[in-house]
Amino acid sequence: TAGITQAPTSQILAAGRSMTLRCTQDMRHNAMYWYRQDLGLGLRLIHYSNTAGTTGKGEVPDGYSVSRANTDDFPLTLASAVPSQTSVYFCASSEVPAPNTGDLFFGEGSRLTVL
Amino acid sequence: DQQVKQNSPSLSVQEGRISILNCDYTNSMFDYFLWYKKYPAEGPTFLISISSIKDKNEDGRFTVFLNKSAKHLSLHIVPSQPGDSAVYFCAATGYQKVTFGTGTKLQVIP
Repeated sequence: TAGITQAPTSQILAAGRSMTLRCTQDMRHNAMYWYRQDLGLGLRLIHYSNTAGTTGKGEVPDGYSVSRANTDDFPLTLASAVPSQTSVYFCASSEVPAPNTGDLFFGEGSRLTVL
Repeated sequence: DQQVKQNSPSLSVQEGRISILNCDYTNSMFDYFLWYKKYPAEGPTFLISISSIKDKNEDGRFTVFLNKSAKHLSLHIVPSQPGDSAVYFCAATGYQKVTFGTGTKLQVIP
């Protein structure tokens, strides 16, 4: 069972360079999300998409962009990386937006280091 | 502005004893509360949830208590097992978003 696949698992990136974190789900979920996890700050929502073709801003969207051309894919792009974007990034999906029953599934994360 | 807060970054408990993880929130419009568990190098996984209309939900060794007047919830694990050692995130749903807390790292000592 694949669920959510994130790539790359880990990446070191020079400041100023661009980077796209890939996320693919095979559950045909309508909603997808990108979170970043930082020590002492927990999981913070970057961007979300409630259905294919739509996206929305989360708590910390600055410096990031997303697209949702189809149901399965939700890439996260850093146009010009800065050291403060060093973090672990988690992609997640759910059948309905903001599920109450815990049907929010996460990928295994992408660790990004910006130098 | 952190709407969901976990004030204890870490907690150590002896195996077999009770673990109590706490969470406070500020937004009274949240309607569901969830706990997620995260092991190193893995994504978070759902553990247990509670509706805002209830004050307790139990699932095996895990019980979540909700005190709406205090805007406080807690997760009780009884008895604690070494495999419970992980980071626990509380979360709240509202405005079509899931807002997570800062996490508490639980260590269960054998």
